[in-house]
Amino acid sequence: SQKIEQNSEALNIQEGKTATLTCNYTNYSPAYLQWYRQDPGRGPVFLLLIRENEKEKRKERLKVTFDTTLKQSLFHITASQPADSATYLCALRINAGNNRKLIWGLGTSLAVNP
Amino acid sequence: DAGVTQSPTHLIKTRGQQVTLRCSPKSGHDTVSWYQQALGQGPQFIFQYYEEEERQRGNFPDRFSGHQFPNYSSELNVNALLLGDSALYLCASSPTFLGEQYFGPGTRLTVT
Repeated sequence: SQKIEQNSEALNIQEGKTATLTCNYTNYSPAYLQWYRQDPGRGPVFLLLIRENEKEKRKERLKVTFDTTLKQSLFHITASQPADSATYLCALRINAGNNRKLIWGLGTSLAVNP
Repeated sequence: DAGVTQSPTHLIKTRGQQVTLRCSPKSGHDTVSWYQQALGQGPQFIFQYYEEEERQRGNFPDRFSGHQFPNYSSELNVNALLLGDSALYLCASSPTFLGEQYFGPGTRLTVT
């Protein structure tokens, strides 16, 4: 079956360290992958988009990698801060014939401790 | 520049009732998508509107319907509410079809 998986357990790290979150997928050939941040009770906020032909993309303290062979994307937050604590979601844009859609992961909860 | 707005913020309904949720997209966006997010889950795609037509639909029953107006704002209607419809309903607009989604704050629907 087709699915997208993120770290199911919450990630706790110390302030200043690098947080690494994982998004794995099976049976898709995605056109691109997006990462979002979601705070409790709020809508997700778009962070980064990486295309299938891109290996890496950066934005300030954020870095995303995309390995279509491993079917995996890694999301890194360097020099993490308590304000980075949130749930992080990945979403895959897939093309299934005429049915193009975004498939969402369940999200990974990140807690950065001061 | 106003972002995506949704109304109401919270809503309590009883089983069997009908509800209408509203959304105004971000300025310059003409595509609106609706999502349902249960507690602890990722967003589940309901449907997407573009040029006042439903373009894509997720795995939701016909009780869920929508509309897009000429000014690109949108409504989500849910009929015959079930307890399981209790969730955060998110509206998102995007500058391109399935491009980055800009979400509103959501409407928290509780069905009792």
